[in-house]
Amino acid sequence: GAVVSQHPSWVICKSGTSVKIECRSLDFQATTMFWYRQFPKQSLMLMATSNEGSKATYEQGVEKDKFLINHASLTLSTLTVTSAHPEDSSFYICSAPSSSGTVTYEQYFGPGTRLTVT
Amino acid sequence: DQQVKQNSPSLSVQEGRISILNCDYTNSMFDYFLWYKKYPAEGPTFLISISSIKDKNEDGRFTVFLNKSAKHLSLHIVPSQPGDSAVYFCAASDSSNTGKLIFGQGTTLQVKP
Repeated sequence: GAVVSQHPSWVICKSGTSVKIECRSLDFQATTMFWYRQFPKQSLMLMATSNEGSKATYEQGVEKDKFLINHASLTLSTLTVTSAHPEDSSFYICSAPSSSGTVTYEQYFGPGTRLTVT
Repeated sequence: DQQVKQNSPSLSVQEGRISILNCDYTNSMFDYFLWYKKYPAEGPTFLISISSIKDKNEDGRFTVFLNKSAKHLSLHIVPSQPGDSAVYFCAASDSSNTGKLIFGQGTTLQVKP
């Protein structure tokens, strides 16, 4: 099946610094990718839709200036957490949909990135 | 506003028995439903899905049932195996075809040997 990778798998950074997380589709092209975050024992919350060659679409309540998304190619989307604070510590997961024709089916998820801000 | 709800945070069953995980939704525009399995510190993996035009989809030990009038779906695993122990998320998407998935809170399944 399709594979989505994320890098790094975990990162620890100091408060006030920025962290970049990469999401790659390894054997397929993805014009759209999605970024989720998950707090412990909670659901996956959609943060934004990453669109290749255009601006990302952010969900309500997500600060676009804080969570910068760049989808520069058909296989790579990046999420940069700017000026990170301890409350940004979370598990960040990206996904890419498997599409057939014009219908979007299930999504393939990356393994996730654990961000800890100290 | 939780559009997809999994009201049981955990479920424990004996190996070989049936596991039934439930999911309710509120948005009548949802027309595609999926179940994902997730281990700690890993991304979710797709398990099974169902379109709103169907009421049942079966794949090996996994069967998903959809009751549109009740806005309810369930995942049946039979027979349950210890390796099925994980967190199960139900997710839904709508006909806008944006690809966005709305997830439930998850149910932790423990299958005891």
